[in-house]
Amino acid sequence: SQTIHQWPATLVQPVGSPLSLECTVEGTSNPNLYWYRQAAGRGLQLLFYSVGIGQISSEVPQNLSASRPQDRQFILSSKKLLLSDSGFYLCASLQGLGGYTFGSGTRLTVV
Amino acid sequence: GNSVTQMEGPVTLSEEAFLTINCTYTATGYPSLFWYVQYPGEGLQLLLKATKADDKGSNKGFEATYRKETTSFHLEKGSVQVSDSAVYFCALRRDDYKLSFGAGTTVTVRA
Repeated sequence: SQTIHQWPATLVQPVGSPLSLECTVEGTSNPNLYWYRQAAGRGLQLLFYSVGIGQISSEVPQNLSASRPQDRQFILSSKKLLLSDSGFYLCASLQGLGGYTFGSGTRLTVV
Repeated sequence: GNSVTQMEGPVTLSEEAFLTINCTYTATGYPSLFWYVQYPGEGLQLLLKATKADDKGSNKGFEATYRKETTSFHLEKGSVQVSDSAVYFCALRRDDYKLSFGAGTTVTVRA
C-alpha cells in the first residue's frame, strides 16, 4: 500500500521568506500527485497536480509553485511568502483507479 | 461545474448521541462520492464511499447513502464516541479524477 511522507509537520515563517515543502511517496510508481491547501474556515482547495516527472498543472493562480524532480517526489515552493499563504497543506497520491492516499499535512503559519 | 456543499460546523455532541452531517453536491454526470475524516494532528483518511446511485457506504458505524434524486450524501452515525471527534469532509471525484471537497465539519464529542 502507498505511504506519503510530508515534512515538516508545522512551520512558522515570516512574510517575504521562501518556502519549500516536500512530499515523498512510497509503495507505488508513476502516481498522480496533488497539493491541496485548507485555509482557515475553508475547505480543501486543489493547488497543483502532476501526472509525471516535470509535469505540473496549476488549478488556481497564486504565489506558489510546484515541482516534481523525481517520480515519487513532489515539492511545493514559494520565493516570498504572503500572509494569505497560511494554511494546512496536504499532499495526495492517486494510483490508477484506486483511491487517494493523503499525507499527514504541514500547518504553515506566515507571520 | 462540480461542487460540494457541506453543513457548516462546529458540531458538539454528547457521547451516544446521533450524528448527521448534511452534504449535497452539484455535478455533471454521476460522480463517485466520499467522506474523509481528519483526526487531530493527522492527514485525511477515507471513511467511506459510494460510486453509484442508491449505494450505501459504511465504516466504523458511519453510513451514507448516495441519493441521486436529492443530490445528497449525508453522513450518519447512531451513537457517537469521544474518539469520533474529528473534521469530516464530503468530497466528489470529478471525471478527471480530481477531488472537490466541501468546507469540512468539525465534530466534538463530549464524554
